[in-house]
Amino acid sequence: DGGITQSPKYLFRKEGQNVTLSCEQNLNHDAMYWYRQDPGQGLRLIYYSQIVNDFQKGDIAEGYSVSREKKESFPLTVTSAQKNPTAFYLCASSLGLVSSYEQYFGPGTRLTVT
Amino acid sequence: QKEVEQNSGPLSVPEGAIASLNCTYSDRGSQSFFWYRQYSGKSPELIMFIYSNGDKEDGRFTAQLNKASQYVSLLIRDSQPSDSATYLCAVIDEGGNQFYFGTGTSLTVIP
Repeated sequence: DGGITQSPKYLFRKEGQNVTLSCEQNLNHDAMYWYRQDPGQGLRLIYYSQIVNDFQKGDIAEGYSVSREKKESFPLTVTSAQKNPTAFYLCASSLGLVSSYEQYFGPGTRLTVT
Repeated sequence: QKEVEQNSGPLSVPEGAIASLNCTYSDRGSQSFFWYRQYSGKSPELIMFIYSNGDKEDGRFTAQLNKASQYVSLLIRDSQPSDSATYLCAVIDEGGNQFYFGTGTSLTVIP
């Protein structure tokens, strides 16, 4: 089955700890994205990557870091510098960064930091 | 800041009626437009995309695009209770680098 997987589904951390969210896709898509979604708000772009070993900041990159060592994988680290990390995190992928390519989403990781 | 605006709702329609969801966008150069459905607690699911002015139909769904008015809509015919969800409008900017999402419209179909 082709698709995007994210793990874990739920994650709980104490304030001050870094945490890494996993995202894997077997769709052979070049581009991958990370968004966060807060209640009553639209999806906000954290980082995106068009090719391996290259990624760009989105609108709210502060307090987050990513890597793209393999085409299939785009993990997101939420650092202790992120002031409000509790949110629903969504990973997405698309064929490429061309304006006609639709994005497909993984199931999401719900992070709670206390 | 590029904006995508949607009425948050909630929008309630009886089963079998037509649900009409609207979206406006600020970037006049935007080329591609998408509708996603998101059930509570789940991730968004792509249901329609449209690139050209006019209507595009897929089953019970019709997307309508008017670039001059910077307006895109989604019609759901013969609405079913299973259509109850939040519908997100998304737009790709002129450079083709980034999606911008609206905050979504909550739809409830009443049996």
